[in-house]
Order: sequence, then structure tokens, then C-alpha cells
Amino acid sequence: ILNVEQSPQSLHVQEGDSTNFTCSFPSSNFYALHWYRWETAKSPEALFVMTLNGDEKKKGRISATLNTKEGYSYLYIKGSQPEDSATYLCALEGNEKLTFGTGTRLTIIP
Amino acid sequence: DSGVTQTPKHLITATGQRVTLRCSPRSGDLSVYWYQQSLDQGLQFLIQYYNGEERAKGNILERFSAQQFPDLHSELNLSSLELGDSALYFCASSMDYVYTFGSGTRLTVV
Repeated sequence: ILNVEQSPQSLHVQEGDSTNFTCSFPSSNFYALHWYRWETAKSPEALFVMTLNGDEKKKGRISATLNTKEGYSYLYIKGSQPEDSATYLCALEGNEKLTFGTGTRLTIIP
Repeated sequence: DSGVTQTPKHLITATGQRVTLRCSPRSGDLSVYWYQQSLDQGLQFLIQYYNGEERAKGNILERFSAQQFPDLHSELNLSSLELGDSALYFCASSMDYVYTFGSGTRLTVV
């Protein structure tokens, strides 16, 4: 069984500030770690897929790191913008499926 | 448009009824996954099909069933509906470790 925990559950950040949140997992017995961005009434949108310890991925102002030895992944957003408001989901891929955390709900305050 | 199509977008039905949710995967994707998202819970894996065959099963109730047809579209059948079945049901398809989600069907049981 893959357990995925995300923290914090919700976060309010001033526009322009940078922020980060965490996905933690007790076991490294998975194939890949996925980050998704999910806006209400839309499809979850894939951000990153990471497979190796030490992986770092970047897309614009958003980046992510993976540390399988210590059991966590961080998602960073630099210079938050209102359009970054969404729920960010972390998921572990293994046993023919994705196992999701409950997400971090990010609200950017203009 | 993610390429994964789910119909209907919204469904309101009474307890005890049966409904069918439909998913058309992204062109070329052979795998289809069904997930349920209830209030305050993360995305819960229900079932996976690959090229017409069931590959993995999660916490899917016996009242629920699914199938994948030769044209690769999938249907999730929910019967003897209860109030607690009200949720957002997502379908995803995958290829080469990229999972693409549809926009979901919101089911309300009254």
C-alpha cells in the first residue's frame, strides 16, 4: 500500500511571494512521483513526473524536487500569481495505478 | 481539452437508481482508470482497464462495475445508488507513464 501525505492542507499566499509545499511518503517502493495542478471544474493537469532520487524538474515559475531516501518531494512556486490558485496534487505511481494525496489548496491573494 | 472525454458532466438521480458514466480515452491510449473524489477526500482509485481487460482493482464497491469496449471507451456502472455515492468521478487514460484526466462527472444522489 502506498501512503501519500501532503502538507499543508491549504495555504494563502500574497501575490508576488514565493511558496512551497510538501508531499511525503514512508516508502520508496514506487515507480514515479507525479505532481498535478487542479482547478475547480477542470481536469487535473500534469505538471511533473519524477522517477529518480535527486530529480529536479522546472516549468516556468514552478519547480519540484524528489528525495526518495528521506521520503519527500517539494513543489516550489516563485513569484506567485493569481492564476496559480488551484489544488496541487501529489501521486505515487505503482501497482498499476496512481495513489493520490489529498492535495494542498493554494489561494493567491492579490 | 485534455483529450479524455467524460459524459455526462453532471448527473442528478435518486437513491436506488442505476447510472452509467462514460469515458473516451485520449487517442492511442490503451489504459483507462476510474477515480472517485468525495467531499474532503483525495482521489480514490476504483479500477483500471488495459486494452479491454481489467488490470487492477481498488476500493470499488460491489454495486459498481466497469468495462472497456473494443473501441477502448469505458463505462462505469453504479447501481443501487446511495446518498454517499455522491461524488466527482474522474476517468484517466495513460500512455508512456503520462496520465491524462477528463474533466469528471459530478454525480448527485438525492
